Amino acid sequence: EPEVTQTPSHQVTQMGQEVILRCVPISNHLYFYWYRQILGQKVEFLVSFYNNEISEKSEIFDDQFSVERPDGSNFTLKIRSTKLEDSAMYFCASQARNYGYTFGSGTRLTVV
Amino acid sequence: GDSVTQMEGPVTLSEEAFLTINCTYTATGYPSLFWYVQYPGEGLQLLLKATKADDKGSNKGFEATYRKETTSFHLEKGSVQVSDSAVYFCALHLQGGSEKLVFGKGTKLTVNP
Repeated sequence: EPEVTQTPSHQVTQMGQEVILRCVPISNHLYFYWYRQILGQKVEFLVSFYNNEISEKSEIFDDQFSVERPDGSNFTLKIRSTKLEDSAMYFCASQARNYGYTFGSGTRLTVV
Repeated sequence: GDSVTQMEGPVTLSEEAFLTINCTYTATGYPSLFWYVQYPGEGLQLLLKATKADDKGSNKGFEATYRKETTSFHLEKGSVQVSDSAVYFCALHLQGGSEKLVFGKGTKLTVNP
């Protein structure tokens, strides 16, 4: 069964550093998403991406965040200057039109 | 705004026990409702869904009925197995609106032999 692949599974970074989280969505999917879950809290929507541009973003997704689909296969989330409160599990998901989401297994980001 | 509230975990049961995980929602429109499951070390997997009132979603022995009058979508299973140990998330999606899912906090279930 096709999978969404996320790398790395765990990333530790120092506060203020830039971090890039990587995702390989399912190849024929059209919609791409990032969600995050701070430990013990809800899974929260960050951003959706369609046709090479952001289609929707949440209040969390401020200027420190950006997304890119650089080569037609990868889908990346960049945090420019990480803060302690960015520590969370980040989930990538992709979706074909009118079909359910497929989520990746997540990247646990720890900012120290 | 739209939100999902799940019963607090963790939940610990013995094998073959009956499971209920409560989920209620608040939505400005008419949502579709979902249960996702996350097994250790894996991603979020769709367990079941319902798209309109009184629909029952079912999969792998789990069931949930969309109750508009009580704005609920409780997850049930008659006889749990050790392999059901996971974190369960209730979620909604507003039809005709954005593509985003709104999740509850998740409920961790541990089933002991």
